[in-house]
Amino acid sequence: RKEVEQDPGPFNVPEGATVAFNCTYSNSASQSFFWYRQDCRKEPKLLMSVYSSGNEDGRFTAQLNRASQYISLLIRDSKLSDSATYLCVVGTGGYQKVTFGTGTKLQVIP
Amino acid sequence: DGGITQSPKYLFRKEGQNVTLSCEQNLNHDAMYWYRQDPGQGLRLIYYSQIVNDFQKGDIAEGYSVSREKKESFPLTVTSAQKNPTAFYLCASSIQQGDTEAFFGQGTRLTVV
Repeated sequence: RKEVEQDPGPFNVPEGATVAFNCTYSNSASQSFFWYRQDCRKEPKLLMSVYSSGNEDGRFTAQLNRASQYISLLIRDSKLSDSATYLCVVGTGGYQKVTFGTGTKLQVIP
Repeated sequence: DGGITQSPKYLFRKEGQNVTLSCEQNLNHDAMYWYRQDPGQGLRLIYYSQIVNDFQKGDIAEGYSVSREKKESFPLTVTSAQKNPTAFYLCASSIQQGDTEAFFGQGTRLTVV
């Protein structure tokens, strides 16, 4: 089993739709969780950290489920500019070494 | 402005040649990383460094070498021993401790011709 797994997609959704991605991780000792956004041929950029209590930033909501070992990202009212690949990133404690998922591609359609 | 800078953005190399990719950060971060990204694949860790004059192999270190003589700099050399070097290379840095994000450079796209 891969350390971090994501559905590669693509997820093709109309503007205004709500879309959710999940990411599963195998290491129960994982302590830090992030969602990054990567535009085509660009570097990844942090979208949001994922906390145990969940967190929300505008149209984006991230949640962590430790029991089932997955994190999720919910995007409401999708915009064309949300089209990108969303990378799930999971880290273990101590040294900040993280594992990246392969990414989920989102295409928002007019 | 603080940040992490990679150069060059595009690089072409002939087979059998070594090439060095530059990565510089002025964020005062202790930890630095090199990743490789291939189409349809996630980022794979090549090397990482927690502190000056120390570095560790990542998952795919064969055919690569690094140095960390200064805190700000973590150059990556792609040697002729790397069998499939054409890829997008990303350098990143992060604060040593704590639950913090990694900042990425803009990447270097290496093509072997």
